[in-house]
Amino acid sequence: DAGVIQSPRHEVTEMGQEVTLRCKPISGHNSLFWYRQTMMRGLELLIYFNNNVPIDDSGMPEDRFSAKMPNASFSTLKIQPSEPRDSAVYFCASSLARGRRTNTGELFFGEGSRLTVL
Amino acid sequence: TQLLEQSPQFLSIQEGENLTVYCNSSSVFSSLQWYRQEPGEGPVLLVTVVTGGEVKKLKRLTFQFGDARKDSSLHITAAQPGDTGLYLCAGVIGQAGTALIFGKGTTLSVSS
Repeated sequence: DAGVIQSPRHEVTEMGQEVTLRCKPISGHNSLFWYRQTMMRGLELLIYFNNNVPIDDSGMPEDRFSAKMPNASFSTLKIQPSEPRDSAVYFCASSLARGRRTNTGELFFGEGSRLTVL
Repeated sequence: TQLLEQSPQFLSIQEGENLTVYCNSSSVFSSLQWYRQEPGEGPVLLVTVVTGGEVKKLKRLTFQFGDARKDSSLHITAAQPGDTGLYLCAGVIGQAGTALIFGKGTTLSVSS
């Protein structure tokens, strides 16, 4: 079975350019998460969706960041305009949330998109 | 503010040694998970602990959830080079209980 698929794996861009990261979650999973990982701050939760609906975007650093999930099999994270401090590895993860009270479900991560903004 | 504090940040040991890494918080979590991440890959789940005081074993790895569900530990017996990686603890948060927040992790290096 295919895991979480992210693209691109690597992106190098110049400050001010628009960056779009893409994610295809595991089929049948109903929760999708975007995380950002840096040495300084570790793995930070940016936003997560349940059944394609954004539940909490309080981790999105600025208005330059936006995320969409138009359907159950696709999500994008967009940065416009990009800045050097956005350089990080961005991970997408999906899981199957079984209920409202407690989700102890496993998060399945993609391989990440390494973004470098010059 | 980091809700989950992991220690030590880095650990370098010889094959065969034992080690313990810690995950601490002032918050209570409904459950806590441990993940292992290798370079160039995403984290992979090792275990989930749910009940205060719970102990789970996975071969040479022993996981414990604190009685108050605020802290956890991972003990590795007779470490091997294949145990090298970044060990992350993660707590369940959110009204829907569906999101995980992660600690910064412990980077473990085991040399032969």
